[in-house]
Amino acid sequence: GAGVSQSPSNKVTEKGKDVELRCDPISGHTALYWYRQSLGQGLEFLIYFQGNSAPDKSGLPSDRFSAERTGGSVSTLTIQRTQQEDSAVYLCASSPGQALFQPQHFGDGTRLSIL
Amino acid sequence: AQKITQTQPGMFVQEKEAVTLDCTYDTSDPSYGLFWYKQPSSGEMIFLIYQGSYDQQNATEGRYSLNFQKARKSANLVISASQLGDSAMYFCAMRVGGSYIPTFGRGTSLIVHP
Repeated sequence: GAGVSQSPSNKVTEKGKDVELRCDPISGHTALYWYRQSLGQGLEFLIYFQGNSAPDKSGLPSDRFSAERTGGSVSTLTIQRTQQEDSAVYLCASSPGQALFQPQHFGDGTRLSIL
Repeated sequence: AQKITQTQPGMFVQEKEAVTLDCTYDTSDPSYGLFWYKQPSSGEMIFLIYQGSYDQQNATEGRYSLNFQKARKSANLVISASQLGDSAMYFCAMRVGGSYIPTFGRGTSLIVHP
């Protein structure tokens, strides 16, 4: 399909393990966002990539969280030494560019459960 | 700082009736965009409608319309002729001209009864 693709769709891991979440944005979209959504809550911004510019990491909750975007396309969000409070749905979104009127296109998310 | 407020945690509507979901916002930036997204139980966020701060007319997209009252800083979503498939969480979001990071409200859960 032509939408935003996220993998895995579900991830269960033990506390203390590292996890990697992948996002494949819509082809040609230069803007990419990661969000965290806890049960019944709104969206918490994590990180924003735009083209080849330095990412906006202002939403990352701790230094255990990091993300990269290779070749201006696929992005990986890494959580090191996972904690139970990291359990949430992680959503990725992409947008064609920076214009104000352009909406975000979201993936189905990765549901992360920390045991 | 920008803020989005959705005061209705849950709403119920009868099938085929219209429903209004409230959203108020706060920003000092004269240039901003307002978005509504739908999130069904499957989890994917779906873009519904957009309103720019300089748009003279209220935005409409099929059964969705946005009641934009700039002076009151409100951007309510109106869904006409509700359908069972409209049952979902609805999020209001805002981007201001100087930022690339949208601010989201906490969402409103809509349940459509047959």
